[in-house]
Amino acid sequence: GAGVSQTPSNKVTEKGKYVELRCDPISGHTALYWYRQSLGQGPEFLIYFQGTGAADDSGLPNDRFFAVRPEGSVSTLKIQRTERGDSAVYLCASSVKEGIPNIQYFGAGTRLSVL
Amino acid sequence: SQQGEEDPQALSIQEGENATMNCSYKTSINNLQWYRQNSGRGLVHLILIRSNEREKHSGRLRVTLDTSKKSSSLLITASRAADTASYFCATQTGTYKYIFGTGTRLKVLA
Repeated sequence: GAGVSQTPSNKVTEKGKYVELRCDPISGHTALYWYRQSLGQGPEFLIYFQGTGAADDSGLPNDRFFAVRPEGSVSTLKIQRTERGDSAVYLCASSVKEGIPNIQYFGAGTRLSVL
Repeated sequence: SQQGEEDPQALSIQEGENATMNCSYKTSINNLQWYRQNSGRGLVHLILIRSNEREKHSGRLRVTLDTSKKSSSLLITASRAADTASYFCATQTGTYKYIFGTGTRLKVLA
């Protein structure tokens, strides 16, 4: 596609529910990133995929968070037993490949609200 | 945790004036990039400066980098109302990892 696409753009859920956030990267981009951005803060790294594998998941806050990228393209961020503190904008970015320098292209984000 | 801190947190100027924002970081870097974010959604890459460069220009943007002070500045000249956005610095420390700063919220008044 022309750019990174994230769906849904907004998600409202209740505490304790399960949610899935989808990211469709730019075609041909092998590197994919998930970030979380709280109000008034910069994006905070969650997880990085190179191809199908999660090369670095050190930013995932706890085991309620999980992400997959089974075919090396679309990725899904999954959050179990959501808590109010999970409310944030979840951003996905992709880049052509890993390297120096590396420019990331961001989607518009999914705004998650946990009531 | 975030590596970069940006200063000021918020800046309000008149159209036509120059806007300067600063970024400080903590560890050695491969390069530093500046991104713009409108309305709290997707970020757009503006400019990249490598660790061995001291100054870079792109249109109305000028970026400086001082690795001895671990700091960078972004200057936007002749600002326009459309420049109103949040601006973030991001440091690349390895082959893939970015660490973003806390951002400067710029408001340009028409």
